[in-house]
Amino acid sequence: DQQVKQNSPSLSVQEGRISILNCDYTNSMFDYFLWYKKYPAEGPTFLISISSIKDKNEDGRFTVFLNKSAKHLSLHIVPSQPGDSAVYFCAASAPGNLIFGKGTKLSVKP
Amino acid sequence: DAGITQSPRYKITETGRQVTLMCHQTWSHSYMFWYRQDLGHGLRLIYYSAAADITDKGEVPDGYVVSRSKTENFPLTLESATRSQTSVYFCASKTRREAVTDTQYFGPGTRLTVL
Repeated sequence: DQQVKQNSPSLSVQEGRISILNCDYTNSMFDYFLWYKKYPAEGPTFLISISSIKDKNEDGRFTVFLNKSAKHLSLHIVPSQPGDSAVYFCAASAPGNLIFGKGTKLSVKP
Repeated sequence: DAGITQSPRYKITETGRQVTLMCHQTWSHSYMFWYRQDLGHGLRLIYYSAAADITDKGEVPDGYVVSRSKTENFPLTLESATRSQTSVYFCASKTRREAVTDTQYFGPGTRLTVL
């Protein structure tokens, strides 16, 4: 049973608009979450993270929101740029490793 | 160059052959990980290691063997490759510090095809 779920396999957004990528988790013991970005033929790279003691973390155009009661987090990208087109993985920190979602492929159209 | 590297980047092999994928990191990170990425499954953990000579199974360990004789190296061996092991394999590492961040740093990946 998946502990970290990204229910949207893909998302298409116009350049300049907001991209919202969603992630749900099932284990209430998870207390740290990360987003990774992956371009084709490259390894995933860390993008932004959030601790469960916060409900928001912002880094430039990227903001992650955490709703613990709903076991839901989201990544907002504003404004979206064509270079943001990639696969985005949500991950939860577990003892010794990370548990990843299946990823959402974001396409930002010029 | 500093960082985490994987070799080979691409490999084609046949069913039943033994294959070893190499991973090397220069940060002296304690933890190292092997993941496979498949369509519809995202990133799944195969094995991980908390330190030299300490390894543990992840979500999908069957058919794989790992070793960690040196901190900087974490090879992954497919003892008898099967078609279902065709995938992209990523190595990652992170520090031992149980700090605020739990960031893993990934290598560029190895694309393995088993015919």
